[in-house]
Amino acid sequence: AQKVTQAQTEISVVEKEDVTLDCVYETRDTTYYLFWYKQPPSGELVFLIRRNSFDEQNEISGRYSWNFQKSTSSFNFTITASQVVDSAVYFCALGYGGSEKLVFGKGTKLTVNP
Amino acid sequence: GAVVSQHPSWVICKSGTSVKIECRSLDFQATTMFWYRQFPKQSLMLMATSNEGSKATYEQGVEKDKFLINHASLTLSTLTVTSAHPEDSSFYICSSRRGLNTEAFFGQGTRLTVV
Repeated sequence: AQKVTQAQTEISVVEKEDVTLDCVYETRDTTYYLFWYKQPPSGELVFLIRRNSFDEQNEISGRYSWNFQKSTSSFNFTITASQVVDSAVYFCALGYGGSEKLVFGKGTKLTVNP
Repeated sequence: GAVVSQHPSWVICKSGTSVKIECRSLDFQATTMFWYRQFPKQSLMLMATSNEGSKATYEQGVEKDKFLINHASLTLSTLTVTSAHPEDSSFYICSSRRGLNTEAFFGQGTRLTVV
């Protein structure tokens, strides 16, 4: 069965701090995709990144970076120099089996205080 | 800008009535769309897969007679919550992709409150 675990339910930091959101996944498929989405209070899901199982290169996009470690089945997300606008719920998701369906983690609520 | 549009953003209805939610792909044809449900402070759970021109595929535990899905065109899927009850109150969100092996784009979501 496919499963995504985001152990951190809520995180609170002060602006300019770095913060890492953890994501651990389970799947028996050799081909799969990992995603991160941001959900601000408005509710809309904002796509952040997609990574396939064969690409373990870490990625950096501005203040955001992602660390994919197949050995530990983890796909962690780091925000550097956090800002108040980063406050949201962040979801890690797994797309598997060639299907377009996604299995989501329970989300991590990040609060960045001024 | 948004590539998947959902309407309405919120709706309040009386218990026993039916509510229709629309999901449109704005600049691409979507043979498949997905409907998710999110309870407050919970994760998104896939309800069903909407297939253009054929019957929807429902996840285990989702009542197909209660949540009617119609995907009559390549750009529109609708979810109708029939005979709504307060326990159906939730955030419903749809998604679609431009093509295989691409990221899923999500609509803005619809907050349904049944009173």
